[in-house]
Amino acid sequence: SQQGEEDPQALSIQEGENATMNCSYKTSINNLQWYRQNSGRGLVHLILIRSNEREKHSGRLRVTLDTSKKSSSLLITASRAADTASYFCATPGKNSGGSNYKLTFGKGTLLTVNP
Amino acid sequence: GAVVSQHPSRVICKSGTSVKIECRSLDFQATTMFWYRQFPKQSLMLMATSNEGSKATYEQGVEKDKFLINHASLTLSTLTVTSAHPEDSSFYICSAQGGPNQPQHFGDGTRLSIL
Repeated sequence: SQQGEEDPQALSIQEGENATMNCSYKTSINNLQWYRQNSGRGLVHLILIRSNEREKHSGRLRVTLDTSKKSSSLLITASRAADTASYFCATPGKNSGGSNYKLTFGKGTLLTVNP
Repeated sequence: GAVVSQHPSRVICKSGTSVKIECRSLDFQATTMFWYRQFPKQSLMLMATSNEGSKATYEQGVEKDKFLINHASLTLSTLTVTSAHPEDSSFYICSAQGGPNQPQHFGDGTRLSIL
């Protein structure tokens, strides 16, 4: 599997329910980031969790990181129809020149929140 | 804060045309900009890393003569798809980063369609 793989690939829930998305990665990281992408748009940075953190909150978002299992989860509580989007986890790594940190994105989870 | 403007949002043109896409950081200085390509329902693939005042670093498999990148200032990078062909049709997204290990802030993408 690729660095930064999310599951499930697609998730459909009702408004008000919680949505949980998982991400696994392969190599050691110093941080992991979650992004959101509305259809046909760019990505919006949601949250960054550092390798020495286990949990982080931002509004209705809760991110966990388990470096021993090389996995992270994103929980969206009390979901809304406006949360409908694709969610990607991303891990930093060196680009081909070795001088900059690029982000490697997973394939994403398409979340659909039904009103 | 941290707004990135990408222009144009959509381009439709004939095969053989060269297309220039601009990426601007509006309220911060971006030492590094990244150019990604995204196919439908797929993840983002990094094409190249652009550092202000120096040559871009291309990822493996990306033709530098095909995808010309110029990062002339701390707020502007351009991607030119030269002599575009239908297989170059894709969604191109730029991102800008204010410093190492800082989050990347994304433009809204450019939908390129080559007829």
